[in-house]
Amino acid sequence: GDSVTQMEGPVTLSEEAFLTINCTYTATGYPSLFWYVQYPGEGLQLLLKATKADDKGSNKGFEATYRKETTSFHLEKGSVQVSDSAVYFCALLNFGNEKLTFGTGTRLTIIP
Amino acid sequence: EAEVAQSPRYKITEKSQAVAFWCDPISGHATLYWYRQILGQGPELLVQFQDESVVDDSQLPKDRFSAERLKGVDSTLKIQPAELGDSAMYLCASSPSGDTQYFGPGTRLTVL
Repeated sequence: GDSVTQMEGPVTLSEEAFLTINCTYTATGYPSLFWYVQYPGEGLQLLLKATKADDKGSNKGFEATYRKETTSFHLEKGSVQVSDSAVYFCALLNFGNEKLTFGTGTRLTIIP
Repeated sequence: EAEVAQSPRYKITEKSQAVAFWCDPISGHATLYWYRQILGQGPELLVQFQDESVVDDSQLPKDRFSAERLKGVDSTLKIQPAELGDSAMYLCASSPSGDTQYFGPGTRLTVL
């Protein structure tokens, strides 16, 4: 079945550091890929998405590129801020069953 | 910007009591989802509606959980009787049929 594997956290960085959170997936067909962010006590917010190979999703300085050859969708940001502290979830949507499959989440803490 | 609404935001109940959660999706979104998120994990799908019909409830514990979307708009998720292991965040999401899912703020349930 479909699955998503994220790098384990927690991840702690200093403000203005470069961020990478790794995500790889296993799926049949050609899924869409997503990054969601969850701030403490809140629901999930869509951060970015990509629907086909080589697409790059971007939002609020975050980027991720759909790499079919490596089945990856790594999240990157060039300079993180304290306000980026949250839990980040990688997910895939398989249009065969319209199910959204999530990774376990990566907790990110940014220190001033 | 339209949002998914959920209530209550927090619910504390005792074991064996009944609880109910409400969700109002983004207007025009035909597909509605209920997820359960245990602390430290990613969300897991409980039930998916297309308009008023259930299309997937394979992960819903039907001996105690029920869900309905009578007019194909808002939805209610009920647990009766609640058990200690039901303590979790319950998330509602909606999408315009098979596309990106948008999440509400969630209901945090604590069973004592």
